[in-house]
Amino acid sequence: GQQVMQIPQYQHVQEGEDFTTYCNSSTTLSNIQWYKQRPGGHPVFLIQLVKSGEVKKQKRLTFQFGEAKKNSSLHITATQTTDVGTYFCAGGSLDFNKFYFGSGTKLNVKP
Amino acid sequence: DTGVSQDPRHKITKRGQNVTFRCDPISEHNRLYWYRQTLGQGPEFLTYFQNEAQLEKSRLLSDRFSAERPKGSFSTLEIQRTEQGDSAMYLCASSPGGGPLGEQFFGPGTRLTVL
Repeated sequence: GQQVMQIPQYQHVQEGEDFTTYCNSSTTLSNIQWYKQRPGGHPVFLIQLVKSGEVKKQKRLTFQFGEAKKNSSLHITATQTTDVGTYFCAGGSLDFNKFYFGSGTKLNVKP
Repeated sequence: DTGVSQDPRHKITKRGQNVTFRCDPISEHNRLYWYRQTLGQGPEFLTYFQNEAQLEKSRLLSDRFSAERPKGSFSTLEIQRTEQGDSAMYLCASSPGGGPLGEQFFGPGTRLTVL
């Protein structure tokens, strides 16, 4: 079945360092969404990418969707303690009826 | 509060009992999803409704799981003959219509513990 793999599982960085998480799907996706979940909280939507090769930026966050629409990345420049949380990608199926979440990357930022 | 609400927030039950959870999506969101999340994992897709129609159900779900959205508004998820492996956070998310894509707004979840 379809799977979305996400790496790394954990990332510990010093405040000010950069951070990247990667997602890879076994099959072509219709779109990819990124979410952030704080401890004890629920996933909160960050962004959606639809087009092949699409790149979107939100302040210090850069999101990329691969040319084959099978992989994606989230890059955070100059991390801050407020970036702490788990980042999930969610790949949309081609029939748009379901999303496959990655296992998440837990980011810890040391001040 | 106009967000997605779920009830109850916590449920403790004994193995073999039936449980039912409710999700109230954001008003006028015609897409509704149910997910299950265990510690350290991402949300696992369970089922998807567009209005009152259940368009997708995970093959991972056994026949013990059933979901409804009778009037295209609130939804219920029932688990029959619960097992310890059913212990998890059950998340509901809604999404606006007007096209096949859109952000999902998650509710706070129902944490199920099966003893």
